[in-house]
Amino acid sequence: GIQVEQSPPDLILQEGANSTLRCNFSDSVNNLQWFHQNPWGQLINLFYIPSGTKQNGRLSATTVATERYSLLYISSSQTTDSGVYFCAVAPGSARQLTFGSGTQLTVLP
Amino acid sequence: DVKVTQSSRYLVKRTGEKVFLECVQDMDHENMFWYRQDPGLGLRLIYFSYDVKMKEKGDIPEGYSVSREKKERFSLILESASTNQTSMYLCASSSPGRTGANVLTFGAGSRLTVL
Repeated sequence: GIQVEQSPPDLILQEGANSTLRCNFSDSVNNLQWFHQNPWGQLINLFYIPSGTKQNGRLSATTVATERYSLLYISSSQTTDSGVYFCAVAPGSARQLTFGSGTQLTVLP
Repeated sequence: DVKVTQSSRYLVKRTGEKVFLECVQDMDHENMFWYRQDPGLGLRLIYFSYDVKMKEKGDIPEGYSVSREKKERFSLILESASTNQTSMYLCASSSPGRTGANVLTFGAGSRLTVL
């Protein structure tokens, strides 16, 4: 099956710093989503982005499908950004997503 | 907003017990999924369903079964719980909608401990 690798596995930032999270995948995809899991375990969808660039406030994401990677940018980080960020992908017409192992982000006050 | 509700936030069971984890969604989604989450391993797909009474095995179906008798409800069953099934279980649903996106919406999770 498709492989998904996320980097870095852990990231510690000072509040106000910017960061870039990366997701590499091993095959072409028609579905790519980014999620944030808060410290209480709730997963929230951030972006549906199989290609191109999207922005939502301080967060933005870019997927370069031809090169099989996606980037999540967090600007002016806040302590509430802490948690685990997951990338998930699906090839072709598959309905089920395969998740990466996540990036644990800690933002210090 | 789509709401996905998992019946139990925390469960403690003994080895060999039969365990039911219930999941209900309220937005008429066709697709429903059960994942388990373990430290360092991300989320791994156990089973999914794209229609009533339909089910498909995911990556780690061994030791689990599922039931989807109604469109809004998807149950995960551990026939005989074992300690290696101690984990966080996450239910999700999706629908292609107008865009075909199949964006996942997750429940809050059920943390199962098997003693």
